[in-house]
Amino acid sequence: EPEVTQTPSHQVTQMGQEVILRCVPISNHLYFYWYRQILGQKVEFLVSFYNNEISEKSEIFDDQFSVERPDGSNFTLKIRSTKLEDSAMYFCASSFQGSGGDTQYFGPGTRLTVL
Amino acid sequence: SQKIEQNSEALNIQEGKTATLTCNYTNYSPAYLQWYRQDPGRGPVFLLLIRENEKEKRKERLKVTFDTTLKQSLFHITASQPADSATYLCALAVDSNYQLIWGAGTKLIIKP
Repeated sequence: EPEVTQTPSHQVTQMGQEVILRCVPISNHLYFYWYRQILGQKVEFLVSFYNNEISEKSEIFDDQFSVERPDGSNFTLKIRSTKLEDSAMYFCASSFQGSGGDTQYFGPGTRLTVL
Repeated sequence: SQKIEQNSEALNIQEGKTATLTCNYTNYSPAYLQWYRQDPGRGPVFLLLIRENEKEKRKERLKVTFDTTLKQSLFHITASQPADSATYLCALAVDSNYQLIWGAGTKLIIKP
């Protein structure tokens, strides 16, 4: 069964450094998402991406964040200058159709630790 | 303000019994409601989706109901097994909105 993959599984970085989290969505999916989950808290939407542009973003997704689909398979989340409070699990997801009316398939997550 | 509430306390159920989890929402008119399972350190896994014009959906041992008057969804697992132990998340989507809004989840523990 096709699955969403994410790399790395764990990223440790110093405050102020840039990080890039990578995702390979399911190949025939058209909509891509990033979520984060701080330890013990709820899943939070960051951004959705369709047709090579951002469809929607949350208040969390400020100027420090950016997303890109550099080629036909990868979908990346960049945090330009990490803060301590960026420490969380970051999940990538994809779906064939948009809106909440379609199943979103999640990757295993990247645990980001900012020191 | 908009709010989604799931039981924050863990739900302990004896193996073989039916587990029922609740998702209440306020100040939303969701077109879709989804239930996901999340195991520790893993990403959510989709279980069921129900639309606003559907009252009930079933899949194997799982059943979801959606009452737009009460603003509530119930998630049932019949003949529960220890392997069903996980955190169960409900998520809502408003029509024409890509964003899923998530509840905090309820931890379910099935005791042998």
